Amino acid sequence: GQQVMQIPQYQHVQEGEDFTTYCNSSTTLSNIQWYKQRPGGHPVFLIQLVKSGEVKKQKRLTFQFGEAKKNSSLHITATQTTDVGTYFCGGGNKLTFGTGTQLKVEL
Amino acid sequence: GAVVSQHPSRVICKSGTSVKIECRSLDFQATTMFWYRQFPKKSLMLMATSNEGSKATYEQGVEKDKFLINHASLTLSTLTVTSAHPEDSSFYICSARDAGAPNNEQFFGPGTRLTVL
Repeated sequence: GQQVMQIPQYQHVQEGEDFTTYCNSSTTLSNIQWYKQRPGGHPVFLIQLVKSGEVKKQKRLTFQFGEAKKNSSLHITATQTTDVGTYFCGGGNKLTFGTGTQLKVEL
Repeated sequence: GAVVSQHPSRVICKSGTSVKIECRSLDFQATTMFWYRQFPKKSLMLMATSNEGSKATYEQGVEKDKFLINHASLTLSTLTVTSAHPEDSSFYICSARDAGAPNNEQFFGPGTRLTVL
């Protein structure tokens, strides 16, 4: 079945540093969605990408969808403590989630 | 944005009892709801897809007789963990897709933490 992997599994950064998480699917995805889950909370939708090679920005967050529609990335510029949480990618109609990347931001 | 509620938020039960978890879409109609299970510091594992008015579709390895799903209306889906055992202890999260939304965004409930003693 479809598998979605994310790397890295954990990332500690100093506030102000950049952060990137990568999402790789074993199969081509019709779409890719990104969610953020704060500690103790539930996943919250960030964005959806549909087109091959698509790039979308939300303030300090940049999302990319690969040309082959099998991988995606989320890049955060100048991280802040409010960025702490686990970032999940998910794709396909049934939204198979990736393994997640847990981000910790230290002052 | 759309809101999904879950009840109860936390439940502790004895081994062998059954527990029902409700998932409601509060301000939209959800023809499809999803049930996930999440272990500590792990990803969300899709258990089943709940379709209003029809039988749920279970993922491989998920026992349908163990995890009963009923999608009685366009705003309510229930998950019943039957004869719960300690290994069923987990965080259960539902999500709903708004058929009228412009994208495939899923709205997640706050989750239910089940502890089976």
